[in-house]
Amino acid sequence: ILNVEQSPQSLHVQEGDSTNFTCSFPSSNFYALHWYRWETAKSPEALFVMTLNGDEKKKGRISATLNTKEGYSYLYIKGSQPEDSATYLCASSGGSNYKLTFGKGTLLTVNP
Amino acid sequence: DGGITQSPKYLFRKEGQNVTLSCEQNLNHDAMYWYRQDPGQGLRLIYYSQIVNDFQKGDIAEGYSVSREKKESFPLTVTSAQKNPTAFYLCASSMEEYTDTQYFGPGTRLTVL
Repeated sequence: ILNVEQSPQSLHVQEGDSTNFTCSFPSSNFYALHWYRWETAKSPEALFVMTLNGDEKKKGRISATLNTKEGYSYLYIKGSQPEDSATYLCASSGGSNYKLTFGKGTLLTVNP
Repeated sequence: DGGITQSPKYLFRKEGQNVTLSCEQNLNHDAMYWYRQDPGQGLRLIYYSQIVNDFQKGDIAEGYSVSREKKESFPLTVTSAQKNPTAFYLCASSMEEYTDTQYFGPGTRLTVL
């Protein structure tokens, strides 16, 4: 079983601050890295899927990067807003069966 | 609207009883998954199915059973053999197994009394 680690576990920022979180994963037999946003009382929502080393994806104020050689991905949020408050999950796939292994998530709270 | 639905939202069960959680999708996805979430842990895979009439065990399949008789439906039965069934259960689907984005349902919170 792959071991996917996310840090920090939780984060409080003020509205307007920019922030970032880390996802680390085993770099051997890597296939894809997924980021999801999970708001309270809603379903997890896909943000990005990245597969190639050096990939960068962007959706509005949120962007992500991928380093498959060293096994990490960063998620950045520029100018955080209260509606960005959610748990951000990353998941990695690889190995012999490519199943997704999820990290425990980073809980972001943006204070107005 | 296309999506994935789970029912019920909350479920209470007496110890020793089997209970079935529903998961339906109208996204025409081939692959479907069941995950379990416990406090302080990441989502853990219970079972997955790549195609109708076929399914595979995930990391924590003991005490659970599934069926995939229709493409749209992937019900999960929590049996009395599951030692710690109280948890939040999420169903997901994707076009292709694992490599594609997974779409999640709203979840079912099961509490064993």
